[in-house]
Amino acid sequence: KAGVTQTPRYLIKTRGQQVTLSCSPISGHRSVSWYQQTPGQGLQFLFEYFSETQRNKGNFPGRFSGRQFSNSRSEMNVSTLELGDSALYLCASSPGRGEETQYFGPGTRLLVL
Amino acid sequence: DQQVKQNSPSLSVQEGRISILNCDYTNSMFDYFLWYKKYPAEGPTFLISISSIKDKNEDGRFTVFLNKSAKHLSLHIVPSQPGDSAVYFCAASARSGNQGGKLIFGQGTELSVKP
Repeated sequence: KAGVTQTPRYLIKTRGQQVTLSCSPISGHRSVSWYQQTPGQGLQFLFEYFSETQRNKGNFPGRFSGRQFSNSRSEMNVSTLELGDSALYLCASSPGRGEETQYFGPGTRLLVL
Repeated sequence: DQQVKQNSPSLSVQEGRISILNCDYTNSMFDYFLWYKKYPAEGPTFLISISSIKDKNEDGRFTVFLNKSAKHLSLHIVPSQPGDSAVYFCAASARSGNQGGKLIFGQGTELSVKP
């Protein structure tokens, strides 16, 4: 099976812009979770989507949002970018039926200037 | 409030010896624990997991031990190999209450295995 894929792999934006990141889960996986990794805060949970519904949410401002499509692909959006949003954004998928081993994609490196 | 803690930022071990990485947690609702290995600028790679109904799980050179009363888990790598050098993250989730899709990570331990 193909693994989790994320696009784009690298992105440079300026403050105030918005960005959309994409994630394609492992075939058959219905749960997609997003995480942010920064040197200061480590790996932090953003949100989880299951069957097109947000099932869990982390402690991030409303500028961070996401959605999931009927084919389980997911996107996350960050509006009004701030310098502190520079991070590695990771997507992970799992079957979502109680087997909660999550498998991660390679990540999208976002740099906000 | 850090619910999952890895108190050792780094660990250096000789090739062929045992590596022991430790992790503590505070939330008694956590019932599923995982270890991931990570290289810079890459996504974490799943290594091994353990459910709270068990106290040990083994997969090849990797063994995870869970001590629920102490809220402590450890990852043993035997024998250690230079290719094991990476950052290791402990993660936990509370599958009951539908929180299984939310992993809480420790800060990571950088393992260096010297030839």
